[in-house]
Amino acid sequence: QVQLVESGGGVVQPGRSLRLSCAASGFTFSNYAMHWVRQAPGKGLEWLALISHDGGFTSYGDTVKGRFTISRDNSRKEVYLQMSILTAEDTAKYYCAKPSGSQSDSWFDPWGQGTLVIVSS
Amino acid sequence: SYELTQPPSVSVSPGQTASITCSGDYLEEKYISWYQQKPGQSPLVVIYHNAKRPSGIPQRFSAFNPGNTAILTISGAQTMDEADYYCQTWDSSKVVFGGGTKLTVL
Repeated sequence: QVQLVESGGGVVQPGRSLRLSCAASGFTFSNYAMHWVRQAPGKGLEWLALISHDGGFTSYGDTVKGRFTISRDNSRKEVYLQMSILTAEDTAKYYCAKPSGSQSDSWFDPWGQGTLVIVSS
Repeated sequence: SYELTQPPSVSVSPGQTASITCSGDYLEEKYISWYQQKPGQSPLVVIYHNAKRPSGIPQRFSAFNPGNTAILTISGAQTMDEADYYCQTWDSSKVVFGGGTKLTVL
């Protein structure tokens, strides 16, 4: 059974950094790209970043490019999201998601349960 | 950047057919997926590759992508289908989500 478990969320002050983790199990992690998606309270889904199966390719959403960095450790079966210069607008639940299908037409199944990040002084 | 546009809300009576649209440029050239998200839950894919249903998704969920507007249809909508629905595609190595549609069944 595929399982994704996010961690690392919490309350952080504006301007600070935070690293989120996502632990994967139930599939061959090193064969799959991985994604991060967030959802601000009461708002829609916002795609943040993807990393290829071997870490050699990354892509970012426009709102986080340059501030967030996605990485992975295939030996640990984990994907990470390093977030810097956080603002109140980064307050959201952060999900990691496993894609199915080829990269250019993939969909997300499953999603993790999410980890909540609150940026507040 | 590429955008997908959904209506903010759709209402339907139980047993009727609900249709949720998702519009974008050249959408007929892209694959569309649809997600259902109920309060407090993570999103769940209900349609992928424009019209395919994952195992476990009821047959009342269907979709097609004939042009610049993709359509998710829920035939005989049930109260359990009340949720937010998001369309999703790819453009230039980036994932794009629609803004979401709140489906009310009452």
